[in-house]
Amino acid sequence: EPEVTQTPSHQVTQMGQEVILRCVPISNHLYFYWYRQILGQKVEFLVSFYNNEISEKSEIFDDQFSVERPDGSNFTLKIRSTKLEDSAMYFCASSIYARTYEQYFGPGTRLTVT
Amino acid sequence: GEDVEQSLFLSVREGDSSVINCTYTDSSSTYLYWYKQEPGAGLQLLTYIFSNMDMKQDQRLTVLLNKKDKHLSLRIADTQTGDSAIYFCAERGGGATNKLIFGTGTLLAVQP
Repeated sequence: EPEVTQTPSHQVTQMGQEVILRCVPISNHLYFYWYRQILGQKVEFLVSFYNNEISEKSEIFDDQFSVERPDGSNFTLKIRSTKLEDSAMYFCASSIYARTYEQYFGPGTRLTVT
Repeated sequence: GEDVEQSLFLSVREGDSSVINCTYTDSSSTYLYWYKQEPGAGLQLLTYIFSNMDMKQDQRLTVLLNKKDKHLSLRIADTQTGDSAIYFCAERGGGATNKLIFGTGTLLAVQP
């Protein structure tokens, strides 16, 4: 069964460093998403992406964050200058259409900022 | 704003039924979901219900939706130890949004 994959599974970085989290969505999916879950808190929506553009973003997704689809398979989340409060589990998701009921999630990347 | 709430913990014995409850605030929700998260794993979509339905059954899972009270429940029949996980309720609002709003998650502990 096709699945969303994410690398790395765990990333440790120092405050102020740039990190890139990588995702490979399901191959025929067209809509891509990033969510995050700070330890002990709810899973929060960050951004959705379609046709090489951001289609929706939350207040959390400020200028420190960017997303890109650099080739036909990868979808990346970049955090330009990490802060301690960026430590969280980051989930990538994809769906075949925008209005489909199914968003499929990857296993997550645990980001630890020290 | 939109909010989704769940109780934090539920403990049941193997073979019993489990009922996990969720309330939400967005009356324009179109789809409501249940996701399962096992330790170290991602979010697995278990089932969903469209907002114009009041019940959906899928093998051991039954979803009940009370739209008037904005209450969603997930019943797991014949609960097994392998069902031990965190269960997240999520909703998607109406209009153009595709974002999911998640609850806090309910930790289901199944005792043998």
